[in-house]
Amino acid sequence: EAQVTQNPRYLITVTGKKLTVTCSQNMNHEYMSWYRQDPGLGLRQIYYSMNVEVTDKGDVPEGYKVSRKEKRNFPLILESPSPNQTSLYFCASSPGQRYNEQFFGPGTRLTVL
Amino acid sequence: AQSVAQPEDQVNVAEGNPLTVKCTYSVSGNPYLFWYVQYPNRGLQFLLKYITGDNLVKGSYGFEAEFNKSQTSFHLKKPSALVSDSALYFCAVRERDSSYKLIFGSGTRLLVRP
Repeated sequence: EAQVTQNPRYLITVTGKKLTVTCSQNMNHEYMSWYRQDPGLGLRQIYYSMNVEVTDKGDVPEGYKVSRKEKRNFPLILESPSPNQTSLYFCASSPGQRYNEQFFGPGTRLTVL
Repeated sequence: AQSVAQPEDQVNVAEGNPLTVKCTYSVSGNPYLFWYVQYPNRGLQFLLKYITGDNLVKGSYGFEAEFNKSQTSFHLKKPSALVSDSALYFCAVRERDSSYKLIFGSGTRLLVRP
């Protein structure tokens, strides 16, 4: 089944404790992206990647890191999480053309205490 | 700066009536336009998109959207709403020629009452 998977689905952590949210897709997509969803703000793009070793900042990259060492994986790293990073996070992927729609993962609900 | 506006936080409609969820954008050139839907506790699902050509785009679940270049709008429509259409709807835009960045609106909650 074609899908985007994220792990963990739920995470409660404390301020400053490094964490990684994994994202993997099995559709051989070039483009992958991370978003955060907050009430009243919609989805805001954190980082995106057009292909292996090619990443770029979205609208809210501060406090996040990403890497794209393999085509199928695009982990999101919070090196020192803070409470304002409490949010619902989505990973998405698509083929490489700009007109392609994105396939979304199920989401990761992160709470930083 | 690029932006997408969904002016209504919530749209209420009776089952069987037509529905419209509004979206306007501010992006240079002729962007690609998308609509996504999010059901409770789920990820986003693609509904439809505008690339070029006919201004009326048909998508999944009976939804359609009308692209209006002069008004920079891309309103989502459905002739007859179902209770099962109740969900959160997002409009998104991407520039055609430069950035791969995707800008989402703030979302509109659609509530279809029986």
